[in-house]
Amino acid sequence: EAQVTQNPRYLITVTGKKLTVTCSQNMNHEYMSWYRQDPGLGLRQIYYSMNVEVTDKGDVPEGYKVSRKEKRNFPLILESPSPNQTSLYFCASRLAGLYNEQFFGPGTRLTVL
Amino acid sequence: GQQLNQSPQSMFIQEGEDVSMNCTSSSIFNTWLWYKQDPGEGPVLLIALYKAGELTSNGRLTAQFGITRKDSFLNISASIPSDVGIYFCAGGSYGGSQGNLIFGKGTKLSVKP
Repeated sequence: EAQVTQNPRYLITVTGKKLTVTCSQNMNHEYMSWYRQDPGLGLRQIYYSMNVEVTDKGDVPEGYKVSRKEKRNFPLILESPSPNQTSLYFCASRLAGLYNEQFFGPGTRLTVL
Repeated sequence: GQQLNQSPQSMFIQEGEDVSMNCTSSSIFNTWLWYKQDPGEGPVLLIALYKAGELTSNGRLTAQFGITRKDSFLNISASIPSDVGIYFCAGGSYGGSQGNLIFGKGTKLSVKP
């Protein structure tokens, strides 16, 4: 089944404790991205990657890192999480080019205490 | 940067009623997408529009790509309880080599049986 998977689905952590949220897709998509969703603010793009070893900042990159060492994986790294990073995070992927459906993962709900 | 204004923010309707929501922008988009997000899930693509003036249906859903390329609307006819969720519009424009998707803030739909 074609899908985007994220792990963990739920995470409660404390300020300053490094964490990684994994994202994997099995559709051979070139383009992958991370969003955060907050009430009243909709979906905001954190980082995106056009292909392996090619990443770029989205609208709200501060406090986040990403890597794209393999085509299928695009982990999101929070080196020193803070409470304002408490949010619902979505990974997404699609084929290169504009006219292609973007698939979303099921989401990771992160709480930073 | 580009922004989308999606309205209304929320709707409370009776089962069987028709629903209409729209997105507007001061910028031109090359594609409009409509997504639905069920509670606890990631957004799922409902309808994709690729041409100004295009009117596309998917079951009880109908969406149109505005002739000015700055707006789009989504109609749901004869709503049912499973229509509950958050509906997002997304505008696609050419940016870099992959294009960008800009999301509206969502319309939260509640359907009373």
